[in-house]
Amino acid sequence: DAMVIQNPRYQVTQFGKPVTLSCSQTLNHNVMYWYQQKSSQAPKLLFHYYDKDFNNEADTPDNFQSRRPNTSFCFLDIRSPGLGDAAMYLCATSRDHGPEQFFGPGTRLTVL
Amino acid sequence: QKEVEQNSGPLSVPEGAIASLNCTYSDRGSQSFFWYRQYSGKSPELIMFIYSNGDKEDGRFTAQLNKASQYVSLLIRDSQPSDSATYLCAAPNTGNQFYFGTGTSLTVIP
Repeated sequence: DAMVIQNPRYQVTQFGKPVTLSCSQTLNHNVMYWYQQKSSQAPKLLFHYYDKDFNNEADTPDNFQSRRPNTSFCFLDIRSPGLGDAAMYLCATSRDHGPEQFFGPGTRLTVL
Repeated sequence: QKEVEQNSGPLSVPEGAIASLNCTYSDRGSQSFFWYRQYSGKSPELIMFIYSNGDKEDGRFTAQLNKASQYVSLLIRDSQPSDSATYLCAAPNTGNQFYFGTGTSLTVIP
């Protein structure tokens, strides 16, 4: 089945220790998104790739970076995680900017 | 003003009743609207989308859209305990940025 996969499902890191979350997709969608969702809050878009073009949301902290080496994979790098970065990180894909987005299962990040 | 607003609830309904979830949006240029269901600790899953004014039915779910009032709702008929979840309303704005509401927590009481 075509799907969006995120690894790991749970990640624990220490304050200030860089961490990378990964997302892969078999849907062959050209747009990939990263969202941050904190408890009882709406998913918040951090950035997205339209093909190879990177689009950063204006209020996304510089601490968050992303890489997309090919169509199928996208990474979220958090350079120096703070306690406030503990959240669920959701990867999603869509075809072009088609309105329907398909979500992966998420990675829950804990910062100690 | 938030792009998409929802009553956070919690909303409790007895099993078999109709659950009504509401959402308003600010961008009159938004053309499509989505309802996602999110179980605790899980990712959102799409359950309904609607583009046109009026009602759209899919099984026990009915989405209603009123563009003049900038209002979209989701009705769940014959509510089941398995429907207990947070329901997120979402809409892309004219710039194709996808905005989610904060979600409404629904509990269906057996």
